[in-house]
Amino acid sequence: GAVVSQHPSRVICKSGTSVKIECRSLDFQATTMFWYRQFPKQSLMLMATSNEGSKATYEQGVEKDKFLINHASLTLSTLTVTSAHPEDSSFYICSARDPSSSYEQYFGPGTRLTVT
Amino acid sequence: AQKVTQAQTEISVVEKEDVTLDCVYETRDTTYYLFWYKQPPSGELVFLIRRNSFDEQNEISGRYSWNFQKSTSSFNFTITASQVVDSAVYFCALLSGTYKYIFGTGTRLKVLA
Repeated sequence: GAVVSQHPSRVICKSGTSVKIECRSLDFQATTMFWYRQFPKQSLMLMATSNEGSKATYEQGVEKDKFLINHASLTLSTLTVTSAHPEDSSFYICSARDPSSSYEQYFGPGTRLTVT
Repeated sequence: AQKVTQAQTEISVVEKEDVTLDCVYETRDTTYYLFWYKQPPSGELVFLIRRNSFDEQNEISGRYSWNFQKSTSSFNFTITASQVVDSAVYFCALLSGTYKYIFGTGTRLKVLA
């Protein structure tokens, strides 16, 4: 199956700083990628849909100025958490949609963000 | 509205017992897909199965089996002869026309030796 990678797998940053998380589709071109957030012992909640070459679409309640998404190429989407605070500490997971399929999406391994 | 309900928050079983994880979904779409994922402590989602709305055949894969019933909007997952390595959080998910996954709240399975 297709592979989606995320980098870094873990990151610790200080409150007030920004951190960038990368999501790459390694063996297919993904015009659409998705970003999820998962708090401890909770489900995955979709944050935004990232479309190559256009602005991301954010879910209700997600601050687009805080969570900057860039999908500059068909294999890379980035999520930047700006001015991070401890409450942003979470597990962030991306997925990439295979455009050749009506349903296939492949999930990355996730990035655990801790804001101190 | 689209929704996935996993009513069982946590289940504990003793090794070798069978266990069924329930999943009930809601959608008005006639074409949709249902999934089960396993999330071990490492956090990475492990794909287990996909079913489309036109295929109600039950499936068995080793110790895993799935029962899809459109009449009750359910897609239940059974692990036979559970093992400690089955301990994880299991998510049921729905995908339809928007290409957005709707995840259930997950069921934490603990298999005790």
